[in-house]
Amino acid sequence: DVKVTQSSRYLVKRTGEKVFLECVQDMDHENMFWYRQDPGLGLRLIYFSYDVKMKEKGDIPEGYSVSREKKERFSLILESASTNQTSMYLCASRAGGYGYTFGSGTRLTVV
Amino acid sequence: DQQVKQNSPSLSVQEGRISILNCDYTNSMFDYFLWYKKYPAEGPTFLISISSIKDKNEDGRFTVFLNKSAKHLSLHIVPSQPGDSAVYFCAASGSNNNDMRFGAGTRLTVKP
Repeated sequence: DVKVTQSSRYLVKRTGEKVFLECVQDMDHENMFWYRQDPGLGLRLIYFSYDVKMKEKGDIPEGYSVSREKKERFSLILESASTNQTSMYLCASRAGGYGYTFGSGTRLTVV
Repeated sequence: DQQVKQNSPSLSVQEGRISILNCDYTNSMFDYFLWYKKYPAEGPTFLISISSIKDKNEDGRFTVFLNKSAKHLSLHIVPSQPGDSAVYFCAASGSNNNDMRFGAGTRLTVKP
């Protein structure tokens, strides 16, 4: 069964910390995405990558960066965590076509 | 600026009845539309889709209708079952497909 795995289900970090959210897919997909989900706002695209070492900004990239050194792994980095980055973070991947496969999400709380 | 809007945050229906979830979009360049279902503590899972060349797509109890002139789509679930209780997200994409945008979601509760 194909999978997108996010390394942590829950994280609590302090303001100002550097935070790494990891995502791994086992489907050999070229495209990977990071979204955040907030009540009333749905899923908003932070960054996506269509190939190794390639990245594109989504709608809300401020305060985030990404890394894709290997095809199967796409990391989201919060350079200096702030309380307004408390959210559910969802990673997704896709091959061709329109279907995205999502991970289970990481609920990040910044205190 | 949200390009995909779901104006009803919640919907409650009785088991066996029809559930109708609505979605509006503003970007006329979207040409593919999808519905995702999300249970708590899980990622969204793909449910059904429709391309802009069609106005209806059916898959078992789920039917999606697209009205391009009104920039509106809807998801019908007939008959509704308690296991359908979840948050439903409407999504839309252009031909690029790296620009998929999601609505805010509608929480459906199906009462036994």
